[in-house]
Order: sequence, then C-alpha cells, then structure tokens
Amino acid sequence: DAGVTQSPTHLIKTRGQQVTLRCSPKSGHDTVSWYQQALGQGPQFIFQYYEEEERQRGNFPDRFSGHQFPNYSSELNVNALLLGDSALYLCASRAPKTSYGYTFGSGTRLTVV
Amino acid sequence: KNQVEQSPQSLIILEGKNCTLQCNYTVSPFSNLRWYKQDTGRGPVSLTIMTFSENTKSNGRYTATLDADTKQSSLHITASQLSDSASYICVVSVGGANNLFFGTGTRLTVIP
Repeated sequence: DAGVTQSPTHLIKTRGQQVTLRCSPKSGHDTVSWYQQALGQGPQFIFQYYEEEERQRGNFPDRFSGHQFPNYSSELNVNALLLGDSALYLCASRAPKTSYGYTFGSGTRLTVV
Repeated sequence: KNQVEQSPQSLIILEGKNCTLQCNYTVSPFSNLRWYKQDTGRGPVSLTIMTFSENTKSNGRYTATLDADTKQSSLHITASQLSDSASYICVVSVGGANNLFFGTGTRLTVIP
C-alpha cells in the first residue's frame, strides 16, 4: 500500500516562473494538506483540500493556489516565484472524518534561483 | 495563541546513550499530539500519536509521554543508534478541526 506520493522530488526554477507540484494521497484518504518548510524551520500550513474544494488556508499570498481532483490527488501551484519560495513542500493526507491519521509525503525540494 | 515549543533545539549524544526531548504546547482545544521523525530533506514520519486520555505510548525504542494537565510531552529514545540522527517534531492537533500546530523541532545527532 503506497503512502503519500509527491512529484517531482527536486525542482529548480528561476524567479518569476510558475511551478506545479503534485501529490497522490494514501489509499483511503480523502483530505490533502500542503505545507511549506523552510530550511531549519517547522512546516507552515498553506491550505487544505477536501471534496475538491479549498477548505482552510494559511497565511500565504494568492500566488499559492491549488486543486484537488476527483481521485483525491492534488496540485500546488505557485506563480511569480520569489527566491523566498525556496523550501521543501510537503503534502499530507488523512482518512475521512478524522484528525488522527495524517501521513506525510517525502516532499518536493523547490529551489528558486 | 496556539503554540508548540520544543527543547532543546539541538542535541548531540553518543551512540548507545538515551535521551529525552521535550514539547510544551498551549494549543486548545487539544485533540492529539504526535511525534514525528524527519530526516533532512525528507517528509516527517510518524513515531507516536496520543490522545487526551493516553499518557504514554511506545514504538520500539521510542517512548512518548503526555501530561495533558501541564500540557507537556516528552519523547524518550533508548539505546540510540546512528540512524536516529534526524529532527524530531512535536505536532499538536486542535480538537474538531483540521489544523496541525508544529514545533520547530529538535535536531538530534548521534555520534559513534
């Protein structure tokens, strides 16, 4: 049983470009959350998707957007990349109607140059 | 304000020794507390998860404790191994909601 799968594992972009990160949740999970983790820091909540809608959002600008598909997979899009967007982007999924069993993916390391 | 604080920030121990990491939180209402191990550049991996009614839980050489009255948790690692070198993150979940509150982690280095 695969856990949470994220792609790509590493990515290098230049300032001003746009990027799309992808996440496939663990089997049986329907809720996907995205986090940004700067080097040496704890993860910061970006947003959460459930039933193909953004349900909660952290303190991130509109340049950060997302989508959830009918198969529960999700994408994180970042427009007009800034150097400060360089971070590890983590996806976490959980089972329906519980806050108990979050599972994290291995993350996508984004470097903006 | 909902906060999760961990101590120490970093720790270096000899292989085979034990250590204890601390987590204090002010998150309310409390739902559950998890300890994660995170290798550099990788996603967090769950070690233990405890609800309000649980005060200790073990996972191999990892033992977590929870005192919901004082809002403190600890993670005890016994007979440390080189592969235990990682960041250990305490995460508290708010009751009835989807938010997770992360501590900034303790960076553990086990040396031979």
